[in-house]
Amino acid sequence: NAGVMQNPRHLVRRRGQEARLRCSPMKGHSHVYWYRQLPEEGLKFMVYLQKENIIDESGMPKERFSAEFPKEGPSILRIQQVVRGDSAAYFCASSPPMRRSQETQYFGPGTRLLVL
Amino acid sequence: DQQVKQNSPSLSVQEGRISILNCDYTNSMFDYFLWYKKYPAEGPTFLISISSIKDKNEDGRFTVFLNKSAKHLSLHIVPSQPGDSAVYFCAASAQGGSEKLVFGKGTKLTVNP
Repeated sequence: NAGVMQNPRHLVRRRGQEARLRCSPMKGHSHVYWYRQLPEEGLKFMVYLQKENIIDESGMPKERFSAEFPKEGPSILRIQQVVRGDSAAYFCASSPPMRRSQETQYFGPGTRLLVL
Repeated sequence: DQQVKQNSPSLSVQEGRISILNCDYTNSMFDYFLWYKKYPAEGPTFLISISSIKDKNEDGRFTVFLNKSAKHLSLHIVPSQPGDSAVYFCAASAQGGSEKLVFGKGTKLTVNP
């Protein structure tokens, strides 16, 4: 029973390049969340998606960042024209389609993005 | 505006003793609370949770206590083991909204042999 999978685990980009981070949720899970962790900080919510729908993107920066969760395939977090401030650990979590009162999110190992 | 606060960045305890990690929150709409454990270079691992309709939840060596009037929760680990050394994050979610979790900054627990 594979857990949440993320790739790549490490990603190095130069300023101005694009970064694509992938997340495959646990089997049977249809809810995906992306969080970002800056050094010495807690995780900050970015976006919540269900298959083919963005449910809550209140934590996403207004520009350069986008996310999708297509009907087939992994969820993608895309960062265009990266800047040094985008350097962080990006975590994906998934949860099953159950009533929210008992919802638990399970996290992947994260992608560590370094912008040079 | 930090809605979930873990005021102790670090905690050191002796093996076999009790570890108590604290968490305070400000948003009265929070109704579900979770504790995650995180090792370096890994993702957070779910540890234990509690709904706001309860004041205590226990799972083996781990117990979470919730005091709604004080907007405070704590995680007790007893007995503490060296393998418990990690960063512990408190998280909360609010009724009526999306399912996003709001995290504290974490407490680094060190259990000394």
